[in-house]
Amino acid sequence: QKEVEQDPGPLSVPEGAIVSLNCTYSNSAFQYFMWYRQYSRKGPELLMYTYSSGNKEDGRFTAQVDKSSKYISLFIRDSQPSDSATYLCAMSWAGNMLTFGGGTRLMVKP
Amino acid sequence: GAGVSQTPSNKVTEKGKYVELRCDPISGHTALYWYRQSLGQGPEFLIYFQGTGAADDSGLPNDRFFAVRPEGSVSTLKIQRTERGDSAVYLCASSPQDEGTQYFGPGTRLLVL
Repeated sequence: QKEVEQDPGPLSVPEGAIVSLNCTYSNSAFQYFMWYRQYSRKGPELLMYTYSSGNKEDGRFTAQVDKSSKYISLFIRDSQPSDSATYLCAMSWAGNMLTFGGGTRLMVKP
Repeated sequence: GAGVSQTPSNKVTEKGKYVELRCDPISGHTALYWYRQSLGQGPEFLIYFQGTGAADDSGLPNDRFFAVRPEGSVSTLKIQRTERGDSAVYLCASSPQDEGTQYFGPGTRLLVL
């Protein structure tokens, strides 16, 4: 079993929908949680960064961390076709090496 | 400002050859990371530098892989006697010393024939 599990999708939604992306993890030592967006043939782009539990909002994006359930989420409001990409969750225990999920491919249809 | 840059963007080589992949981190970032990403997978950690020294090289798959960062800025990942299984995208990331956020470069796509 992988340390970080993520549904690979693809997830297809209509433009304007609310998108929910999730990861579960097994290592309770993880303290830093990140979401990256990766377009085809590009490097990962940092979207959200959260330390420990709680919510964080940035524009149309909201990240949630529930350490008791070992579960993190990314919500995208008013999704746009330009949001179509692969979304990677990542986490670390000491702010150093990241452990990634396998990525969820999202397609937002006009 | 300038982000993380990686060269070459693509590299095709033959089985058994030696390759070098270069990473230029964001100016002032002291931490530098190498990851490897196979098709349809998330990146996997290879090695982490804090300054000039390798703080953690536990992700290097075997002794054919080696990385250096002699002046604490640019890093080179070196792969000897390449194998077809080494084909992947090699990603570099850098981070300010006291933060957990990592900023990635565009990657080098390595194909071993």
